[in-house]
Amino acid sequence: GAVVSQHPSWVICKSGTSVKIECRSLDFQATTMFWYRQFPKQSLMLMATSNEGSKATYEQGVEKDKFLINHASLTLSTLTVTSAHPEDSSFYICSAWDRSSYEQYFGPGTRLTVT
Amino acid sequence: AQTVTQSQPEMSVQEAETVTLSCTYDTSESNYYLFWYKQPPSRQMILVIRQEAYKQQNATENRFSVNFQKAAKSFSLKISDSQLGDTAMYFCAFMKENAGGTSYGKLTFGQGTILTVHP
Repeated sequence: GAVVSQHPSWVICKSGTSVKIECRSLDFQATTMFWYRQFPKQSLMLMATSNEGSKATYEQGVEKDKFLINHASLTLSTLTVTSAHPEDSSFYICSAWDRSSYEQYFGPGTRLTVT
Repeated sequence: AQTVTQSQPEMSVQEAETVTLSCTYDTSESNYYLFWYKQPPSRQMILVIRQEAYKQQNATENRFSVNFQKAAKSFSLKISDSQLGDTAMYFCAFMKENAGGTSYGKLTFGQGTILTVHP
């Protein structure tokens, strides 16, 4: 099946700094990508829908100025956590929607720890 | 809006036995897809099985099969001959067909069920 990569897989940053997470579809073009947040033993919480060439659509309660999403190409979406705080520590997962196969492919996730 | 409910937070089964995970959903849509995803300790989401709502036949993938009851809005997953590698968190998910616009491909997940397979 298709592959979606995420980078970095694990990042530690200091409180107040920003961190960028990349999500790439390696062998297909993804006009739509999704960003999730997951706490241990809990479900995936959708943060936003990223559409190539347009602004992201954020779910209710997600601060769009804090979680900046850019989908500049058909294979790359980025999530930037700005002015990170310890409560932003979590596991972030991206997924890419392949319209040709009508399937969703998930990245391996990024563990963010804010100290 | 759609909702997906998994009422079993945790389940356990002995190796080689059969276990069924429950999922119910609520929607006013006629055309949709249902999925079961597996998330092992590595946390990589893996598609287990997919069911198109318009298909009456229950989907099967090797040891995994579903019992899709459209009228009851129920979509359970049966794992036969359980293996240690089946230990994972399992998520039921819903997706509208041809949602259009920014909802295309958007999944609604249930709360998840942690399945432990014991030797």
